[in-house]
Amino acid sequence: DTEVTQTPKHLVMGMTNKKSLKCEQHMGHRAMYWYKQKAKKPPELMFVYSYEKLSINESVPSRFSPECPNSSLLNLHLHALQPEDSALYLCASSQVASGDYTGELFFGEGSRLTVL
Amino acid sequence: GQNIDQPTEMTATEGAIVQINCTYQTSGFNGLFWYQQHAGEAPTFLSYNVLDGLEEKGRFSSFLSRSKGYSYLLLKELQMKDSASYLCAVHDQTGANNLFFGTGTRLTVIP
Repeated sequence: DTEVTQTPKHLVMGMTNKKSLKCEQHMGHRAMYWYKQKAKKPPELMFVYSYEKLSINESVPSRFSPECPNSSLLNLHLHALQPEDSALYLCASSQVASGDYTGELFFGEGSRLTVL
Repeated sequence: GQNIDQPTEMTATEGAIVQINCTYQTSGFNGLFWYQQHAGEAPTFLSYNVLDGLEEKGRFSSFLSRSKGYSYLLLKELQMKDSASYLCAVHDQTGANNLFFGTGTRLTVIP
């Protein structure tokens, strides 16, 4: 199994809603990532979890709240988002997130978020 | 910080060879990845370079020069399905490991 599964694939929410994006992998990877990708732009790193602990937060607004319940699951909780937060949110995993080699990142197909 | 540059768009003919360049400046370089991304799909891994030189994998090859902060992806015998965005990503070991993506190159293969 070399899949990273993300749900939902599409999400439309209002600025006052609270929603969550979910990500799951069963490759035994100990690093998981959230990236944000706007149209025709490269993915931008948001968060990195290493061994279920948050190791990187790339100055992301607090309206995005990550959670890593266990080594296979990664959530992104959304609250009071703005229309400019509309984007494709990609989850990825890799073998390790420290040391010399991260290992290739395996990406999920993404959750396309629209904030009205 | 990181500064990773690629051409925005390229066009090439089916059956031809195309080279996509990537230049980077980073404080904690620890390897460079190339990813392919078709429209509306997730990025998929193509290659990884950490030492200088050429890595060949089928129709795709990737080259790295660490002293010049330069890499390229070479695609041979282009096929229509190779039309996609090609993302150069630098593994930065400063602080904690993470992967920073370049601007991406949108390649269009024409008959």
